[in-house]
Amino acid sequence: EAQVTQNPRYLITVTGKKLTVTCSQNMNHEYMSWYRQDPGLGLRQIYYSMNVEVTDKGDVPEGYKVSRKEKRNFPLILESPSPNQTSLYFCASSNTGQVLRSSEQYFGPGTRLTVT
Amino acid sequence: GDSVTQMEGPVTLSEEAFLTINCTYTATGYPSLFWYVQYPGEGLQLLLKATKADDKGSNKGFEATYRKETTSFHLEKGSVQVSDSAVYFCALVTSGTYKYIFGTGTRLKVLA
Repeated sequence: EAQVTQNPRYLITVTGKKLTVTCSQNMNHEYMSWYRQDPGLGLRQIYYSMNVEVTDKGDVPEGYKVSRKEKRNFPLILESPSPNQTSLYFCASSNTGQVLRSSEQYFGPGTRLTVT
Repeated sequence: GDSVTQMEGPVTLSEEAFLTINCTYTATGYPSLFWYVQYPGEGLQLLLKATKADDKGSNKGFEATYRKETTSFHLEKGSVQVSDSAVYFCALVTSGTYKYIFGTGTRLKVLA
């Protein structure tokens, strides 16, 4: 089954404790992306990656890191989480290149993060 | 910068009513436009898309037309069902940087 998986689905942590949210896709997609969803703000793109070893900032990259060492994986790293990073996070993937502009993004089920 | 503006919700309709959710955008170049739907507790799913001016996207009875002159991509459905209750997001992808911009979402509630 074609899918994007995220782990963990729920996480409660404390300020300053480093964490990683994993994302994996099995569709051989080049493009992967992370979003956060907050009430009244919709989805905002954090980082995206056009392919292995190629990453770019979205609209809200501050406080986050990503890496793309393998095509299927795109982990989101919070080196020192703060309460304002409490949010619902989604990973997504799609085809890229000229196809990207007409491609569907496939979204994972979401990770609800609470930082106290 | 690029942006997407959606009408604020929630929108509450009776079953079989006509639906319109407004979406306007600001973008340089020629973005592609999308509507995504999010059902409770799930990730987003593509509903329909349009990649150039005057294109009409359609799916599951929903339609939206890419209007370059009014920079709009309004979502319509002739007769909504209870199962259409969800949050709807308008989005664009920029032609140069491949960044995605989403609107704030519009919650639709359909009553039987």
